[in-house]
Formats: sequence, C-alpha cells, structure tokens
Amino acid sequence: QVQLQESGPGLVKPSETLSLTCTVSGGSINNYYYSWIRQPAGKGLEWIGRFYTDGSTNYNPSLKSRVSMSVDTSKNQFSLKLSSVTAADTAVYYCAREEDMVRARRFDPWGQGTLVTVSS
Amino acid sequence: DIQMTQSPSSLSASVGDRVTITCRASQSISTYLNWYQQKPGKAPKLLIYAASSLQSGVPSRFSGSGSGTDFTLTISSLQPEDFATYYCQQTYSIPWTFGQGTKVEI
Repeated sequence: QVQLQESGPGLVKPSETLSLTCTVSGGSINNYYYSWIRQPAGKGLEWIGRFYTDGSTNYNPSLKSRVSMSVDTSKNQFSLKLSSVTAADTAVYYCAREEDMVRARRFDPWGQGTLVTVSS
Repeated sequence: DIQMTQSPSSLSASVGDRVTITCRASQSISTYLNWYQQKPGKAPKLLIYAASSLQSGVPSRFSGSGSGTDFTLTISSLQPEDFATYYCQQTYSIPWTFGQGTKVEI
C-alpha cells in the first residue's frame, strides 16, 4: 500500500525558506495530484497547494506569492518551498495524495506530518 | 474562497450515543465533501468521501449525507476509539478548504 513520508528541517529562521520533501513508497508517484496541508498547534487544517506529476500546480492564493512545489519522479519524491517565513508559518506540515473520482476528490493517504518551527 | 462551517465546535457524548456533526458550505459544492477524523499527534484519516461514500476499512457506524450546501456526519453508536476531532473538507473549488473542526469528547 502506498505510504507518504515528510522530511526536512524542524527549525527554520525567520525570513528564510522552509523546504520539505515528501517521499512516496509502495507505488509510483505518477498520475496523481499531491497536496501539502499545514496545521498550527491547536488549530485547524489549511491547504497550501497541490501539483500534478506533469508539473502543473495550484496554490492557495493566501500563500501563492511565497510557495513553490516540484517533483522528482526518479526518486518518487516531491517538495515544498515556502519563502520569507515568519512565526505564523510554524505548524505541522502534511503531504497527501489526491485522487479524482466521479463527483468527488479525496485525500488519501496522508503522511504522518512533520513539525516546522520558525524561530531565531 | 468557499467557507466551511461545522457545528457544533465541540460536543460531549457517551459510549453508545448517536452523534451527528453538521457542515455547511458558503456555496453549493455538489457532493465534493470529505470527512476526516484526527486524533492527537496523528494525521487526519479519511472517513467519508463524495459526501456519503464510506472509505475502505472504515467501520459502518460512520455515515455521511447531504449535497449542495448542507452535510452531515453521523456516528450511529459511539465507540471509545471515536473520541477525536472531525473535519469536513470541500474539494469543489480551489482553494480546497476545511471546516474548523468538531471535537468529540467523553
């Protein structure tokens, strides 16, 4: 069964760029959308954006100016970069696979999440 | 953006109770509505997709209904492992958005 695993630095300084990688195991990364979602401690879920393995992307307008996503299909990995981070970007970051269906679009599976703290 | 509003924000219930959580979208989203369960320190787990389709492996005590703007998640007989926070999500229009969550407590 397909599994996703996030990785990356747990601590990022203010104004720097947050970089995370999600590794897909148990199946091919191809022909799916993948999303990044984040969750500040004690708060709800925020969708950051998604990409398709052909390189097309959609970003949340609230973060669009600071977000970029990319994929390395040879490694079955995809990445998130969020620039000019502040304390407000401190959160658990999740990656998830998105599956399009008839009159539906579901997120499954999810990675376990990785905590990123923005602090000097 | 489509706003998703869940009610209640929290509820107290007992094992065996029937629990209903509602989710309202700020505009019609057809059946592009998912429900997730999240336990502390864990990733969200998909329970229901397409408003009423049960994800494989999810117990049948969970059910979903609705279309358009009003949706419901029902747990027919609450079990100890069901105490968690539940989120709805619309995937009709980008940006995908989530409800604020409903915490189900003992």
